[in-house]
Amino acid sequence: NAGVTQTPKFRVLKTGQSMTLLCAQDMNHEYMYWYRQDPGMGLRLIHYSVGEGTTAKGEVPDGYNVSRLKKQNFLLGLESAAPSQTSVYFCASQTGDTQYFGPGTRLTVL
Amino acid sequence: KQEVTQIPAALSVPEGENLVLNCSFTDSAIYNLQWFRQDPGKGLTSLLLIQSSQREQTSGRLNASLDKSSGRSTLYIAASQPGDSATYLCACTSGYALNFGKGTSLLVTP
Repeated sequence: NAGVTQTPKFRVLKTGQSMTLLCAQDMNHEYMYWYRQDPGMGLRLIHYSVGEGTTAKGEVPDGYNVSRLKKQNFLLGLESAAPSQTSVYFCASQTGDTQYFGPGTRLTVL
Repeated sequence: KQEVTQIPAALSVPEGENLVLNCSFTDSAIYNLQWFRQDPGKGLTSLLLIQSSQREQTSGRLNASLDKSSGRSTLYIAASQPGDSATYLCACTSGYALNFGKGTSLLVTP
């Protein structure tokens, strides 16, 4: 039981490049979330999903897209990366009232 | 919009001390409140979850209280140890989202 895993762990992009962050969970959870964590800002919700095939916007969705084609995977896409998207990205899945977090992806946009 | 504030932002104590971390929130219509631990470069680990109808939760040396009417929660750590050094985050749940505070960075010195 691996819990919540995130791929990749680190990535450096140039402005304008695109990439996809993968979150996978093997706990059969319905709810999944993407957060970003910035110094002095705490964690902020980007997008979330309440089940396979569904997605919804969180607090800071601009510049990101998501997909939940399979229940166990939640993908976060950056179509045209900007330096303001330099951050640590965390994925979480939820059962009951408890969210389980992945180890994070550290993204730097130059 | 729910605002979550944690005081102090940083705390350094000698090993063995009992300590209190504070969390306040502006909207008392919360579903629950959680305390998380985050080690450097790692994801978040849930420590305690208090439902809105509860007053406190305990796990080992940790005790968390909740006073919805005043918009406050405290995390009490008894007999602190160097292994307790980490950032502690509180988060309120309203609907699907977790609203996080910015955290308290705790250092326990031997």
